[in-house]
Amino acid sequence: GIQVEQSPPDLILQEGANSTLRCNFSDSVNNLQWFHQNPWGQLINLFYIPSGTKQNGRLSATTVATERYSLLYISSSQTTDSGVYFCAVGSRRGSTLGRLYFGRGTQLTVWP
Amino acid sequence: DSGVTQTPKHLITATGQRVTLRCSPRSGDLSVYWYQQSLDQGLQFLIQYYNGEERAKGNILERFSAQQFPDLHSELNLSSLELGDSALYFCASSGNPRLADNEQFFGPGTRLTVL
Repeated sequence: GIQVEQSPPDLILQEGANSTLRCNFSDSVNNLQWFHQNPWGQLINLFYIPSGTKQNGRLSATTVATERYSLLYISSSQTTDSGVYFCAVGSRRGSTLGRLYFGRGTQLTVWP
Repeated sequence: DSGVTQTPKHLITATGQRVTLRCSPRSGDLSVYWYQQSLDQGLQFLIQYYNGEERAKGNILERFSAQQFPDLHSELNLSSLELGDSALYFCASSGNPRLADNEQFFGPGTRLTVL
């Protein structure tokens, strides 16, 4: 299967700070998603971004598929941004087409 | 709200028992996926169905089984439960994994506690 590595594993910020989360993956992919898992356990879709750059409010993401990495940027962080951020990728290979491989996540804590 | 529903939200049961988790995909989605989230293993893919047929299996134990019904809802059956089966079980849905846009949307999860 595809290996997905996320860094850093933990991040502690003060409100208003900016941050960059990284996701490296070991094979070519046809799907890359970023999720936020809130304290209640819900997985919330942030971006579907197998390549290119997208922005949604204070969040943006960039995937460089040829170099097998993706970045999630959070600007002007708020306490409600706290939680775990997961990167998940989908394989191009027929036998594993469709399934997502998840990284271990980045635990973000934002202090007021 | 992702549009994917899962019931029940919480389930507490004893070792050796059998439980059924239910999932309804987003309207129009034909693919259903089951994932398990545990502290030691992280988020892992269990099994995928597409339009009623099993498409792929991941690290799913033989004690676990699933099916997708004609109305596209899916059930995950867990039997002979062990303490280590305690986890958060997610269902996700998408359109067609062979299409270019195959974004998956996750339900709220079922938290299973085996005592």
